[in-house]
Amino acid sequence: AQSVTQLGSHVSVSEGALVLLRCNYSSSVPPYLFWYVQYPNQGLQLLLKYTSAATLVKGINGFEAEFKKSETSFHLTKPSAHMSDAAEYFCAVSDRPGTYKYIFGTGTRLKVLA
Amino acid sequence: NAGVTQTPKFQVLKTGQSMTLQCAQDMNHNSMYWYRQDPGMGLRLIYYSASEGTTDKGEVPNGYNVSRLNKREFSLRLESAAPSQTSVYFCASIDRGNYTQYFGPGTRLTVL
Repeated sequence: AQSVTQLGSHVSVSEGALVLLRCNYSSSVPPYLFWYVQYPNQGLQLLLKYTSAATLVKGINGFEAEFKKSETSFHLTKPSAHMSDAAEYFCAVSDRPGTYKYIFGTGTRLKVLA
Repeated sequence: NAGVTQTPKFQVLKTGQSMTLQCAQDMNHNSMYWYRQDPGMGLRLIYYSASEGTTDKGEVPNGYNVSRLNKREFSLRLESAAPSQTSVYFCASIDRGNYTQYFGPGTRLTVL
């Protein structure tokens, strides 16, 4: 069965500092992996996705993530945090081609300090 | 192109009442999903519909029913609401071509 673990339910960084949000997955098949962002009182928006092409994936708003099969990880990074990055971030894994269902992690709330 | 729309945005129910949450997408997607979001638990899949005319249970289906009315619409029904169903409900549809799920804005439901 597939699963996703996000380490750290809350992360605080200073404005301009590196953002690192951790995601580890478990999958019996080569996975598709996703990062979504949720701003307060809104739905989820796709940040980036890994679908077996390049292992370093660039997304919107300066975020990127690297798929590391040996570590079963897909950590999200951004070199310099901005106040507008404050949100909740969800990692998800999907079987393929399968049912196109996602399994979501429990989320990490990012706080950016001035 | 409105994407995925959900109605209502907010709802308060008393225990035992019933209601239907509506979802529609205008992106011609085959598959649609209903999730619930609870603090510290992420999003959990309630039901999904792989294509028009089919529905399947997800991780937490108890207490819910769904109807895939046509390709655009996928509704979620609570027959007898319970306080444990207080949650934020999200509908999503997937573009199989780029393997991306698109989410609606959510319905915040409180059951007293």
